[in-house]
Amino acid sequence: GDSVTQMEGPVTLSEEAFLTINCTYTATGYPSLFWYVQYPGEGLQLLLKATKADDKGSNKGFEATYRKETTSFHLEKGSVQVSDSAVYFCALSFNTDKLIFGTGTRLQVFP
Amino acid sequence: NAGVTQTPKFQVLKTGQSMTLQCAQDMNHNSMYWYRQDPGMGLRLIYYSASEGTTDKGEVPNGYNVSRLNKREFSLRLESAAPSQTSVYFCASIRTGGNTGELFFGEGSRLTVL
Repeated sequence: GDSVTQMEGPVTLSEEAFLTINCTYTATGYPSLFWYVQYPGEGLQLLLKATKADDKGSNKGFEATYRKETTSFHLEKGSVQVSDSAVYFCALSFNTDKLIFGTGTRLQVFP
Repeated sequence: NAGVTQTPKFQVLKTGQSMTLQCAQDMNHNSMYWYRQDPGMGLRLIYYSASEGTTDKGEVPNGYNVSRLNKREFSLRLESAAPSQTSVYFCASIRTGGNTGELFFGEGSRLTVL
């Protein structure tokens, strides 16, 4: 079945470091891809998305590119801040209202 | 803007007790969802409702029932709670049409079953 695989966490970084969180997917077709973020004590919120191959989603300094050839949607940020500490979820959807989520990756940024 | 509101935020139950988690959204969304979040498991869909009056099972429906009372409200009921249902529960909604993929989540309800 369709699924999303994320790198295990936690990812621990110093402020201003470069961030990569890996996400790959398995799907019988070409889904839309999403990154959601969950700050402590809150629900998830959409961070960015891409709906077709080679699209780049971006928001708040984060970027991810839809790579069909490697079935990947890795999240990157050039310089992380302490306020970016959160759990990040990769997800996919096939033009329906149902999303399939990965297991989440916790990011901890220290000053 | 209230968005998606869940109650209660915290609840402790004994095995065999029943309870209902309430969810309401004020965004006029058609579809609503209940997820559970467990360590190492991510979010798993329990039930969803594509429109008022309809409900469908998700990935992990056993031990739960739902009710879509009207367009705004979608409740989740545990008839006989078990320790395996200890989790954080999230309600979410989505605007149908446009395929935005943007789910709006509540702040979560942390349930402990002893």
